[in-house]
Amino acid sequence: GAGVSQSPSNKVTEKGKDVELRCDPISGHTALYWYRQSLGQGLEFLIYFQGNSAPDKSGLPSDRFSAERTGGSVSTLTIQRTQQEDSAVYLCASSWDRGLTEAFFGQGTRLTVV
Amino acid sequence: AQRVTQPEKLLSVFKGAPVELKCNYSYSGSPELFWYVQYSRQRLQLLLRHISRESIKGFTADLNKGETSFHLKKPFAQEEDSAMYYCALGDSNDYKLSFGAGTTVTVRA
Repeated sequence: GAGVSQSPSNKVTEKGKDVELRCDPISGHTALYWYRQSLGQGLEFLIYFQGNSAPDKSGLPSDRFSAERTGGSVSTLTIQRTQQEDSAVYLCASSWDRGLTEAFFGQGTRLTVV
Repeated sequence: AQRVTQPEKLLSVFKGAPVELKCNYSYSGSPELFWYVQYSRQRLQLLLRHISRESIKGFTADLNKGETSFHLKKPFAQEEDSAMYYCALGDSNDYKLSFGAGTTVTVRA
């Protein structure tokens, strides 16, 4: 498809398990962003990629969170030893160029940790 | 560091009334400001950006560098404007894009 695609759409996992969230950006987009959307918390920045590199990882909530991007395309956000507070909608976005261009968002992955 | 502040979490207005969503930012670089909107069960999408100086769906926003603000305004709200609105800050020299906490707008008939 032409848009940003995220998988899975929904994920229910048990506390303590690891999860992987996938993002397929729009082809050719250099920048890729991960955000977390929690009820009442707005849109929390997690990490962004400039090509395959992540210049700013300061938004990752803890060392249980990691992300990578390969081939300047697909990105994976991994959460290890999930906790209930990790429950949220995880959004991915991509853009053609630097911060002045439009970011296109995926539909999100709703993660529920039980 | 980039920072975007949206002081109102919830905003309720009547149809036909003016609506203004506040956004303030702090950034020492060359800021680029945006408003994004998320309608019910839809993806987050761009509403407008300050460099375009355009009006989208009757909304306008003016960048005030002196007050470091980028408030979103519409003179006559419509029911279809009910949504979550996010102010966002980018930089022409960087890839980072930061968002405010968002404002939920409800337009009542």
